[in-house]
Amino acid sequence: AQRVTQPEKLLSVFKGAPVELKCNYSYSGSPELFWYVQYSRQRLQLLLRHISRESIKGFTADLNKGETSFHLKKPFAQEEDSAMYYCALKSSYKLIFGSGTRLLVRP
Amino acid sequence: DAGVIQSPRHEVTEMGQEVTLRCKPISGHDYLFWYRQTMMRGLELLIYFNNNVPIDDSGMPEDRFSAKMPNASFSTLKIQPSEPRDSAVYFCASSFGAEETQYFGPGTRLLVL
Repeated sequence: AQRVTQPEKLLSVFKGAPVELKCNYSYSGSPELFWYVQYSRQRLQLLLRHISRESIKGFTADLNKGETSFHLKKPFAQEEDSAMYYCALKSSYKLIFGSGTRLLVRP
Repeated sequence: DAGVIQSPRHEVTEMGQEVTLRCKPISGHDYLFWYRQTMMRGLELLIYFNNNVPIDDSGMPEDRFSAKMPNASFSTLKIQPSEPRDSAVYFCASSFGAEETQYFGPGTRLLVL
């Protein structure tokens, strides 16, 4: 079955600390994975996709097929990074989302 | 472009009433998706359209839910009759091509009393 798991509901860090938001997936085939972010009172927006292999707002994510993971990382968290983060898997043109992790960056 | 537009942004209704949610995709996009977000189930796809044709409605919870896309710039999601368990945030998203990024609307927050 296709599934995306985000084990942490809440991740709280201090400003300047490294951040890693975990995402594991279950998918038979070659996966296409995304991270979406939802800031307070704003719409869901794409943060990055694994095929782009780019860094957005200092965030990176590497697809690890061996561990079936696509963890989101940032070396130094900023207060403005506080938001809900969703990992998503594309399957037959539709997105399957994880349950989301709320990142809280404290001053 | 203003992005994906949804209306209303908030809807409060009583159980048994009909609810209609509206979505205007980004101009030129040929895929439109309806998602529902709840605390219990997270974000889940309800239905999606390609060139105004429903392709996969396997996520629609039951017959009380229906969705239409009469033209390329408008889609509706209707719940009749509504129930308290339908309370959720409903998102519409669109993309240009199946392989491209889905852009989300601001969502409609529905509360059924």
